[in-house]
Amino acid sequence: AQRVTQPEKLLSVFKGAPVELKCNYSYSGSPELFWYVQYSRQRLQLLLRHISRESIKGFTADLNKGETSFHLKKPFAQEEDSAMYYCALRDSSYKLIFGSGTRLLVRP
Amino acid sequence: SAVISQKPSRDICQRGTSLTIQCQVDSQVTMMFWYRQQPGQSLTLIATANQGSEATYESGFVIDKFPISRPNLTFSTLTVSNMSPEDSSIYLCSVNRDTEMYGGTFGSGTRLTVV
Repeated sequence: AQRVTQPEKLLSVFKGAPVELKCNYSYSGSPELFWYVQYSRQRLQLLLRHISRESIKGFTADLNKGETSFHLKKPFAQEEDSAMYYCALRDSSYKLIFGSGTRLLVRP
Repeated sequence: SAVISQKPSRDICQRGTSLTIQCQVDSQVTMMFWYRQQPGQSLTLIATANQGSEATYESGFVIDKFPISRPNLTFSTLTVSNMSPEDSSIYLCSVNRDTEMYGGTFGSGTRLTVV
């Protein structure tokens, strides 16, 4: 079955600390994985896609097929990173399957 | 990426009534999706709405409860019918293009409260 798991509901770190938001997936085919972010009172927006191997706002995510993971990382968290983060898998029909989300709280 | 206008942004409705949510895109897109986000929950796909064909519903969602229209490549509506308090959620439309890099764009959502 297709599934995306984000084990942490809340991750609280201090400004300047490293951040890792965990995401594991279950998918029988070749996965297309994304991270979405939702800042307070804003719409959901795409943050990262695994295929492009990019760094956005200092965040990176590497697809590890062996561990079926796509963890989101940032070496030094900023207060403006506080938001809800969703990991999502896109299937062959372009539907997105979302994880339950992790709220990141960066304390000053 | 596409720009989506979704309305209404919020509404409070009486149980037993229906609400139609509109989603307008600034460019033609093949695939449109409707999601629901219940309070404190993640997003769940309701249905896929492709122009020129019937919407495809996910398990647990039926056309009688959530009828969808897709009259052209830039517009879609989702109706929440015969509402009950359990339908109180945020409803979002999303579009996607059949390109590998594209992760999809979301509307701002409709916050529905059923009383």
